[in-house]
Amino acid sequence: DGGITQSPKYLFRKEGQNVTLSCEQNLNHDAMYWYRQDPGQGLRLIYYSQIVNDFQKGDIAEGYSVSREKKESFPLTVTSAQKNPTAFYLCASTPQTGAMNTEAFFGQGTRLTVV
Amino acid sequence: AQKITQTQPGMFVQEKEAVTLDCTYDTSDPSYGLFWYKQPSSGEMIFLIYQGSYDQQNATEGRYSLNFQKARKSANLVISASQLGDSAMYFCAMREIYNFNKFYFGSGTKLNVKP
Repeated sequence: DGGITQSPKYLFRKEGQNVTLSCEQNLNHDAMYWYRQDPGQGLRLIYYSQIVNDFQKGDIAEGYSVSREKKESFPLTVTSAQKNPTAFYLCASTPQTGAMNTEAFFGQGTRLTVV
Repeated sequence: AQKITQTQPGMFVQEKEAVTLDCTYDTSDPSYGLFWYKQPSSGEMIFLIYQGSYDQQNATEGRYSLNFQKARKSANLVISASQLGDSAMYFCAMREIYNFNKFYFGSGTKLNVKP
């Protein structure tokens, strides 16, 4: 079955540590996204990538970094510079077909807690 | 200005009744698409329905319909015959033709269906 796999589902991090969230898709989609969701709030875009080896900052990129070395993979690193990293992180992807009605497909999310 | 506004943080509806979730949007692009997603407590994002800016008719998908009023820039989701399983967060989202690979999300509405 095609889909997006995020791992781990739950992640605990000590203050001052970097941590990497994994996102893998086998949908052959070109574009991939990372969103952050805080309790009771909407999704805010962290980074997105339209093609391998290229990515753009979203609205809240500070304290985060990404790479896109393979089409299938778009890992997100939460660095120690991120002041308040505790949140729910969602990875998504879309095909680069140009069809306006193509929805974004989402992974199951990773819940990051700083302890 | 916010691209997507959802003004109802929480809503209650009696089982089997209909409910309308509000969404207004802001864009100057000539072409855009509007999406609704459901997020159960498990965290996954489930795509529900799509409306294109040039679509003449309101979109419908089973018990979901979209009340699209282009002049007012609103795209309200109507859920008919509510079920207990409809209890979830609901997000309105938009993509624009000139910024095709960015999805803008609203802050969401938490719907509670009462038995």
